[in-house]
Amino acid sequence: ETGVTQSPTHLIKTRGQQVTLRCSSQSGHNTVSWYQQALGQGPQFIFQYYREEENGRGNFPPRFSGLQFPNYSSELNVNALELDDSALYLCASSRGGDRSLYEQYFGPGTRLTVT
Amino acid sequence: KNEVEQSPQNLTAQEGEFITINCSYSVGISALHWLQQHPGGGIVSLFMLSSGKKKHGRLIATINIQEKHSSLHITASHPRDSAVYICAVGGSQGNLIFGKGTKLSVKP
Repeated sequence: ETGVTQSPTHLIKTRGQQVTLRCSSQSGHNTVSWYQQALGQGPQFIFQYYREEENGRGNFPPRFSGLQFPNYSSELNVNALELDDSALYLCASSRGGDRSLYEQYFGPGTRLTVT
Repeated sequence: KNEVEQSPQNLTAQEGEFITINCSYSVGISALHWLQQHPGGGIVSLFMLSSGKKKHGRLIATINIQEKHSSLHITASHPRDSAVYICAVGGSQGNLIFGKGTKLSVKP
């Protein structure tokens, strides 16, 4: 099995710009969740995708959007970047639509810095 | 009050010590996860449990559903155990709700 991969590993953007982060799920997994982790905090749920459909969303504004592709890879898009968007962005894949019941496989994360 | 509370926030131990990290939650859950995060960000799933006790090597996780409490124990701790340990529970949307983590440092 190949693990969960994310790209890029690090990214620096300017306030107001747009960014796209990518995640490749572990082989055989049809569910992906995205999390934002600010420094010193636990990850916060952004949204999840199950078989290419958004299947749940946390308390994040609409400028955070996503996609899941037929091969179950995924993108997180953030428009109109704000300084507070600086964080580690993690994706996690699993089997099944209810991630809480399945083991989570996390990617290494993308460190986004907004200046 | 956070839905998932961990204690302690920081823990320093000497190599060989027995370590306990606690997690309390206020929501109904289907499963509780213990995760390990190393500097740089990578997160590894250690345990997923919904009742009783699980053991993997020197790690033991227990859960008491009635008391909404779980513990992670590390026996014979080693400097390579130094990491952030995070407790997470299933949310209403099937997502994970994370605690803030416990930063463990094991000194040789």
